[in-house]
Amino acid sequence: EADIYQTPRYLVIGTGKKITLECSQTMGHDKMYWYQQDPGMELHLIHYSYGVNSTEKGDLSSESTVSRIRTEHFPLTLESARPSHTSQYLCASSRTSGNTIYFGEGSWLTVV
Amino acid sequence: QKEVEQDPGPLSVPEGAIVSLNCTYSNSAFQYFMWYRQYSRKGPELLMYTYSSGNKEDGRFTAQVDKSSKYISLFIRDSQPSDSATYLCAMTYNNAGNMLTFGGGTRLMVKP
Repeated sequence: EADIYQTPRYLVIGTGKKITLECSQTMGHDKMYWYQQDPGMELHLIHYSYGVNSTEKGDLSSESTVSRIRTEHFPLTLESARPSHTSQYLCASSRTSGNTIYFGEGSWLTVV
Repeated sequence: QKEVEQDPGPLSVPEGAIVSLNCTYSNSAFQYFMWYRQYSRKGPELLMYTYSSGNKEDGRFTAQVDKSSKYISLFIRDSQPSDSATYLCAMTYNNAGNMLTFGGGTRLMVKP
């Protein structure tokens, strides 16, 4: 069973607010990812990291930013939330040499 | 054209039916194939992992890969209402930690 945790699970926030979605994993995985998924739609990779101090943008352009100061922690920040940011955000991690990605349970963000 | 195509469904079957879920792909370099199951408002969880062509069985689930046709399948025997979920296929080139390419997912509903 994967040990990857996301908080908050559900968040309703007003337009213009700054939010941070937290993600932590206890498996010692070097690689971590953020995916965005609208209900019933595909997964889109928005950020990934190969390790501490490494961050890259994914396939889908996103106004969010990420940081990787510690191996186990990969938070995602939106400086000014907009209704278009309403979505599910999934954090994931994997070993450096492995293919299997382990997902957290997701953070559902609604911007009103 | 997407690299990995998957019928979004929904696929509705009666309890006890044999279910066949499929993905087609265009990149012949893909060697490793995975199936993830995603329950509503949860993150995807790894269900099956296969390498190259052939079959792999795990309980009621069988994963099948036909590289010559660029076609993979997931069969579910004796389907249960608890199998109702979205099933995503994923694939990659090697075991060196490359990014996964996901299908869009097929929503399955098993009716009691």
